[in-house]
Amino acid sequence: NAGVTQTPKFRILKIGQSMTLQCAQDMNHNYMYWYRQDPGMGLKLIYYSVGAGITDKGEVPNGYNVSRSTTEDFPLRLELAAPSQTSVYFCASSYSFAQGNEQFFGPGTRLTVL
Amino acid sequence: AQTVTQSQPEMSVQEAETVTLSCTYDTSENNYYLFWYKQPPSRQMILVIRQEAYKQQNATENRFSVNFQKAAKSFSLKISDSQLGDTAMYFCAFMTSFELIFGQGTELSVKP
Repeated sequence: NAGVTQTPKFRILKIGQSMTLQCAQDMNHNYMYWYRQDPGMGLKLIYYSVGAGITDKGEVPNGYNVSRSTTEDFPLRLELAAPSQTSVYFCASSYSFAQGNEQFFGPGTRLTVL
Repeated sequence: AQTVTQSQPEMSVQEAETVTLSCTYDTSENNYYLFWYKQPPSRQMILVIRQEAYKQQNATENRFSVNFQKAAKSFSLKISDSQLGDTAMYFCAFMTSFELIFGQGTELSVKP
C-alpha cells in the first residue's frame, strides 16, 4: 500500500493564480482531512470529509475549496492564491471518525505564493 | 477554546541519554485523546504514542513513554536511550471528536 500520497511536493505560485493540490489514499478510509502548517507552528485543519460527496469546514477554510467525488481522492483547490497561503499542506485519512482513531498523513506539499 | 502548549521550542540531548518534552493543554472536555507526533526532516508526520484520557495508566511504546497528569492537564513525552534517528520536530496533539489540535512543536536534536 502506498498509504496517503500528495502531489506536487513543491510549488511556487504567483499572487492570484489558482491550483489544485492532489491527495489520494489506498487504504479504503472514509475520512479524509486537509491541514496546513505555517512556519514554526503546528498543523491546523482546513477541511475534512466523512465520505464521497460530503465535506465540511475546519478551523481555517477561507480561500480554499474541496471536493470528494471518490473514496480515494480529496483534492484541495486554491482559487486566488495569496501570500498568506504560503505554507506546507498535509492531507490525512483515517479509518473511522471515532475518537482517538489514528490519522495517517501524506508527505506534504510545500507551497510558496509570491 | 481548546489549546495545546509546548513551552520548549528547542531541546538537545546526548545519544543514549533520556529527554523529556513538555506539553500542557486546556479543555473542559472529560473524554479526549492525546498524541505525540514526530516530524523528521522528511516532513512525514509519524504517530509516536497515544493516550486515552480515561485511562490512568501511562502509555508506553518501546523507548517512548508519557507522563499523563489529567488534573494538571499535562502530557509529557519521555524518550529513553535517545538515538540519532530521534532528531525531529515533536508535536503534542489533542483530539475530542475527530479534529487534531496541535501544539507549536519542540525541535529535538540528538547529538552523538
